[in-house]
Amino acid sequence: QSVLTQPPSVSAAPGQKVTISCSGSSSNIGNDYVSWYQQLPGTAPKLLIYDNNKRPSGIPDRFSGSKSGTSATLGITGLQTGDEADYYCVTWDSSLSGWVFGGGTKLTVL
Amino acid sequence: QLVQSGGGLVKPGGSLRLSCAASGFIFSDYYMSWIRQAPGKGLEWVSYISSSGTTIYYADSVKGRFSISRDNAKNSLYLQMNSLRAEDTAVYYCARGESSILAFDFWGQGTLVSVSS
Repeated sequence: QSVLTQPPSVSAAPGQKVTISCSGSSSNIGNDYVSWYQQLPGTAPKLLIYDNNKRPSGIPDRFSGSKSGTSATLGITGLQTGDEADYYCVTWDSSLSGWVFGGGTKLTVL
Repeated sequence: QLVQSGGGLVKPGGSLRLSCAASGFIFSDYYMSWIRQAPGKGLEWVSYISSSGTTIYYADSVKGRFSISRDNAKNSLYLQMNSLRAEDTAVYYCARGESSILAFDFWGQGTLVSVSS
């Protein structure tokens, strides 16, 4: 059971928009920044969003992040088949003194 | 680049040491972590070490059995794993983070650790 809660799967058609939620508590999301990672099959995770809503260089603006209270959301617009991957939210938990991950969400682009 | 080595098959109760060799950036400017992924499962944070090596944290699942360390002179990160259990079977990733952001901005390629008799 992950400390951060994500939906196991989401799906949408190419070109459409999808959002992935990440729910936590006051000791993690409510207390610190959230980052999001994309993991394509058989590869290492890649940073998509950091500090709740900032994109590293090279990440297209189709990817966005937001945070409100103890929840965070990843948004992806203009879906492409290449976006099919697992997505994870991550933050620091002050009660556990450690990083906590969401269980991951599998995105299917129909 | 973060190039990992040291994975393999080990019997329950055995030990293994993972290495992560950094290049192309100033290693001593970055904190580092080990993160693992059991077969078919999600990501799980294992351990953290600050850029200087003075601050270390462990997940409860490995506390007392695993030991993280780094050698900034050799641009290398290590994970000493003792008393290994079947549930430690996973792909282990090293990942770096910059002190100004709370995120892992670059990951190693991963190395598989299998614990089985």
